[in-house]
Amino acid sequence: QSVLIQPPSASGTPGQRATISCSRSSSNIETTAVNWYQQLPGTAPKLLIYSNNQRPSGVPDRFSGSKSGTSASLAISGLQSEDEADYYCAVWDDSLKGWVFGGGTKLTVL
Amino acid sequence: QVQLVESGGGFVQPGGSLRLSCAASGFTFGDYYMSWIRQAPGKGLEWISYISNSANAIYYSGSVKGRFTISRDNAKNSLFLQMNSLRAEDTAIYYCVRSSHYGPDFWGQGTLVTVSS
Repeated sequence: QSVLIQPPSASGTPGQRATISCSRSSSNIETTAVNWYQQLPGTAPKLLIYSNNQRPSGVPDRFSGSKSGTSASLAISGLQSEDEADYYCAVWDDSLKGWVFGGGTKLTVL
Repeated sequence: QVQLVESGGGFVQPGGSLRLSCAASGFTFGDYYMSWIRQAPGKGLEWISYISNSANAIYYSGSVKGRFTISRDNAKNSLFLQMNSLRAEDTAIYYCVRSSHYGPDFWGQGTLVTVSS
């Protein structure tokens, strides 16, 4: 079973750009589509990015996803205080026949 | 708009059972795969079960296989999770989640299950 690895925390100041990484322990993430979810405090997760770099309708273009080699990344430009949240990456694991989530990254806007 | 409303959570002793329900609206329920995903207090997200739109494909995580049963009633736009032999480590918020072709795309607000003696 694969494990997705995220840094436990990240931070930035308003207006800055923040990035959160997601790597896969057991195999290259290159061949797997990655989703990203945002969970604001006390709320349910929300889909932020799907298929590596696609934004659902309504998600600001300040949020972008990318993938390179052994890791995927979520970038948030023009940081705002309301971006303070937990962010999770996720991939479909064909051997598990289920979704695997990273441990989550808590983003603080200083 | 899309709505997923979970119910059935509560307090149960170890070894007990609970049945969670999820009422869906705002989309054609029978067109979508559905999942249950849980989050222990202060912890991350854990996928636990998945059912295809016609219920002919069902999967479970190893942590719940043999104890939990997912089902759905497309006529009533409802998803269910029967949880038996509950353990303290099953304590979590349980989310009903719609899955598109690209994966989980819409989450309910969740229902809290607490397993404790």
